[in-house]
Amino acid sequence: SAVISQKPSRDICQRGTSLTIQCQVDSQVTMMFWYRQQPGQSLTLIATANQGSEATYESGFVIDKFPISRPNLTFSTLTVSNMSPEDSSIYLCSYRRGGNTEAFFGQGTRLTVV
Amino acid sequence: KQEVTQIPAALSVPEGENLVLNCSFTDSAIYNLQWFRQDPGKGLTSLLLIQSSQREQTSGRLNASLDKSSGRSTLYIAASQPGDSATYLCAVRPDYGGATNKLIFGTGTLLAVQP
Repeated sequence: SAVISQKPSRDICQRGTSLTIQCQVDSQVTMMFWYRQQPGQSLTLIATANQGSEATYESGFVIDKFPISRPNLTFSTLTVSNMSPEDSSIYLCSYRRGGNTEAFFGQGTRLTVV
Repeated sequence: KQEVTQIPAALSVPEGENLVLNCSFTDSAIYNLQWFRQDPGKGLTSLLLIQSSQREQTSGRLNASLDKSSGRSTLYIAASQPGDSATYLCAVRPDYGGATNKLIFGTGTLLAVQP
């Protein structure tokens, strides 16, 4: 499997500000995804990051709040905009190589909004 | 709508014991099912992937089974060790009659292996 790294690993942010999370994979992958894990809950898919086009968002998530970039096949960013305490979560990026292959996850970014 | 449930929510066992974690899903139309472990405050580590056409997969002390028709999977851990202590998550990739990238996760089983 490719090595997937995220940064920052954690951050404490003021409400109303924005944070950009970076995800880097050490080889080209077809599909990259962003998930959110709210405290005490399981993971929920935010969006699929599409290379060279707009991300595909799941129901309940919008581009204005969670803009995503994917400039190439190894890198993606997720921005959490205009943050509120309800955005405090772990954000994880993930990749798959396509088909019915295994999904791999980064180490996550623990975000606390105060 | 696909829902994934894991029972029990928490489990504590003495070291050396064999144990079974359960995962159930409401819709049998899936591409595959994957088991992960999550250490506190960390990301997910993939353990096993079972395709919808398979019945089981094994990796070391871990064995995962899949009964798609009944909507169940189990993760068997043999000879448990304190290092196995973590939250175990199962996730299904639904088959909505077309390609879907989404994984739907259960709420996890928190396992504590006592030395």
